[in-house]
Amino acid sequence: AQTVTQSQPEMSVQEAETVTLSCTYDTSESNYYLFWYKQPPSRQMILVIRQEAYKQQNATENRFSVNFQKAAKSFSLKISDSQLGDTAMYFCAFTFSGTYKYIFGTGTRLKVLA
Amino acid sequence: NAGVTQTPKFQVLKTGQSMTLQCAQDMNHEYMSWYRQDPGMGLRLIHYSVGAGITDQGEVPNGYNVSRSTTEDFPLRLLSAAPSQTSVYFCASSPTSAGETQYFGPGTRLLVL
Repeated sequence: AQTVTQSQPEMSVQEAETVTLSCTYDTSESNYYLFWYKQPPSRQMILVIRQEAYKQQNATENRFSVNFQKAAKSFSLKISDSQLGDTAMYFCAFTFSGTYKYIFGTGTRLKVLA
Repeated sequence: NAGVTQTPKFQVLKTGQSMTLQCAQDMNHEYMSWYRQDPGMGLRLIHYSVGAGITDQGEVPNGYNVSRSTTEDFPLRLLSAAPSQTSVYFCASSPTSAGETQYFGPGTRLLVL
């Protein structure tokens, strides 16, 4: 069975600092995809970043980047120069080729402090 | 494009009542799905559809029905509401199923008394 684990229920970071959110997953599949979604207080789910497992290069989107360690089955999210607007719940998610199902972690609540 | 829309935004039901949560998308996406979000449990898949006329169960399907008569619409029906169905419900869509980004609606908060 595929699982996604986010071991940090809550985190906080000072504005302008860097923070890393952890995500580990378990799968025997070789062709899969990983995502980080952000859910601000508005409740809207917003894609932050997407990684294809067959790509060795870590995905980046502006201040957001991932550290994808395939052998360790780890997919952490780094937020640089944290801003107050980054305060949100962050979900790690996984899916793989041949399925129509996405599996989400339990989330990490991030608070950026002024 | 409106993207993915959901109605209502908030609903209160009494135990045993039935209702339908509406979901529509205008992006011509084949794949649509319903999730429920509960504190400490992330998002759990209820039902999904890979095209008009095709639906399947997710992780927590009991107590819910779906149908997909058009590409655009994917309603979720609660047959006989129970307090355990108090949750926030999200509808999502994506162009295909193989690793594409899902686009989410704004959610429906449901309270069952």
